[in-house]
Amino acid sequence: AQTVTQSQPEMSVQEAETVTLSCTYDTSESNYYLFWYKQPPSRQMILVIRQEAYKQQNATENRFSVNFQKAAKSFSLKISDSQLGDTAMYFCAFMVTSGTYKYIFGTGTRLKVLA
Amino acid sequence: NAGVMQNPRHLVRRRGQEARLRCSPMKGHSHVYWYRQLPEEGLKFMVYLQKENIIDESGMPKERFSAEFPKEGPSILRIQQVVRGDSAAYFCASSPGRVYNEQFFGPGTRLTVL
Repeated sequence: AQTVTQSQPEMSVQEAETVTLSCTYDTSESNYYLFWYKQPPSRQMILVIRQEAYKQQNATENRFSVNFQKAAKSFSLKISDSQLGDTAMYFCAFMVTSGTYKYIFGTGTRLKVLA
Repeated sequence: NAGVMQNPRHLVRRRGQEARLRCSPMKGHSHVYWYRQLPEEGLKFMVYLQKENIIDESGMPKERFSAEFPKEGPSILRIQQVVRGDSAAYFCASSPGRVYNEQFFGPGTRLTVL
């Protein structure tokens, strides 16, 4: 069975600082995608960044980047220059590229950016 | 291009009533996924449907829950005889095909069972 673990239930960071959110996963599959989603108080799920497992290069989207360690099954999210609008729940998710392509989500990390 | 639509956004039911949650996928998308988010938890897969077919319902509770995606109209998640434990946010996501590397989420329906 595939699982996703987020071991940090809550984190806080000062505005303009950098923060890293951790995620580990377990799978025997070789082809999959990894995602970070942001869920603000509105509850809308917003895609932050996506990583394809067969790509060694870490994905980057503006202030958001990942550290993908395939052998260690680790997929952390780094947020640089944190902004107040980054305050939200962050979910790590995993999608196997076979079968039904469903997401498996972690339990989330609540991030608070402090002014 | 309108995103995924869900209605109602909020639904209140008393124990024993039925809840119907609707999801209209993005234009051109024929694949729909339903997820449930219990309070303070992550989203959990419930069911995956294509037009007129249930492809994977491995995450659906065995009783009281059903889903459909007819040829015309929205996908419906139906919960019969609701109980307090059904209180949750229910999200629908759509994609243009099964072999696609992203799903697009609706805003969710928050179900409260009194």
